[in-house]
Amino acid sequence: QKEVEQNSGPLSVPEGAIASLNCTYSDRGSQSFFWYRQYSGKSPELIMFIYSNGDKEDGRFTAQLNKASQYVSLLIRDSQPSDSATYLCAVRGGMSNTGKLIFGQGTTLQVKP
Amino acid sequence: EAQVTQNPRYLITVTGKKLTVTCSQNMNHEYMSWYRQDPGLGLRQIYYSMNVEVTDKGDVPEGYKVSRKEKRNFPLILESPSPNQTSLYFCASSFTGDGGFFGPQHFGDGTRLSIL
Repeated sequence: QKEVEQNSGPLSVPEGAIASLNCTYSDRGSQSFFWYRQYSGKSPELIMFIYSNGDKEDGRFTAQLNKASQYVSLLIRDSQPSDSATYLCAVRGGMSNTGKLIFGQGTTLQVKP
Repeated sequence: EAQVTQNPRYLITVTGKKLTVTCSQNMNHEYMSWYRQDPGLGLRQIYYSMNVEVTDKGDVPEGYKVSRKEKRNFPLILESPSPNQTSLYFCASSFTGDGGFFGPQHFGDGTRLSIL
């Protein structure tokens, strides 16, 4: 079992729709959860982080965390073509807590005009 | 502007020729880390540093060295590069808080290394 799992996609949504990206993790001791956006050949860009169960909203983005189910998701409202990228879920903390970010493989999002 | 700066951005070199990729951050972060990103394998941690003079191996440390003599700098050294080290490399940094808390990591722009 991978430590952080994401559906690789591609996830295709029409412009203006809600994109829903999902991620599961295996280490119950994980403490911090992050979503990064990465355009091809570019560096990961932090878009959301969440530490507590529940929802956290920032503009068009909402991160949702459910520690009991070991599940974290990212909703993008009013999706735009510029949102087309790979979205990386990353988890930190856990049993070793070396500060290492454990990344999923990423989900490719395509927003079609 | 808060940033993590890596140099060079691109490098093509030959097997066995020592090289150093520099990383510098201006956010006074304690934690710094190096990752490599390869198709199908995702981002993997090479080395990390909790603070000055404190470094440790990540998941794929073989063939790499690091040092942390100053808080802002964390260079990655390839003593004898080989073709399997051809990859996209990222440096990242974050603050650390009490009780083992780590803030979000901020990434540099990346260094694309090609070892022939």
